[in-house]
Amino acid sequence: SAVISQKPSRDICQRGTSLTIQCQVDSQVTMMFWYRQQPGQSLTLIATANQGSEATYESGFVIDKFPISRPNLTFSTLTVSNMSPEDSSIYLCSVEGTGTNEQFFGPGTRLTVL
Amino acid sequence: GIQVEQSPPDLILQEGANSTLRCNFSDSVNNLQWFHQNPWGQLINLFYIPSGTKQNGRLSATTVATERYSLLYISSSQTTDSGVYFCAADFNDYKLSFGAGTTVTVRA
Repeated sequence: SAVISQKPSRDICQRGTSLTIQCQVDSQVTMMFWYRQQPGQSLTLIATANQGSEATYESGFVIDKFPISRPNLTFSTLTVSNMSPEDSSIYLCSVEGTGTNEQFFGPGTRLTVL
Repeated sequence: GIQVEQSPPDLILQEGANSTLRCNFSDSVNNLQWFHQNPWGQLINLFYIPSGTKQNGRLSATTVATERYSLLYISSSQTTDSGVYFCAADFNDYKLSFGAGTTVTVRA
């Protein structure tokens, strides 16, 4: 399985600011995803991060609010823009393993917006 | 629509007890996974099991794809088994749809 790291692990931010979360994988992967887990809830897919093209967003998520970059096959960023307290969540990246469609998750970024 | 339903929502166990968690899914799946989320939020892969039966220590899982359900068995539960257990399915589109989870509390 891939080793996935995320930065920062947690942050407390002020309303109206933006935060960029990084996801680094120790091997090249084709499929990379970003999920959100609101407090006490399950995980919801935000978007699929595509290398060399724009991310594919799920219903209810837009690029202006959650811009995503995928400059290569080992790295992606998710920005949470113009934050409000409702954006307080855990944000997780995941990747598909090599030769399998099993997904593995990073440790998550715990975001609190005041 | 496509759905993943888990039951029960909450489970309280005495240490040493056995339990079964269930996951129903609404369509054929390309992938079915079970995860354990620990109190720190880390999502741990338990099983990748689109069909068949697998065992890993005190945990085992069975997916009956034709009947669209999967079961996770915990035997001889320990306090470290506490946390939220998620089932997630890929309905042939590479994206995981998660169930609402089962919160397991194991008491010493």
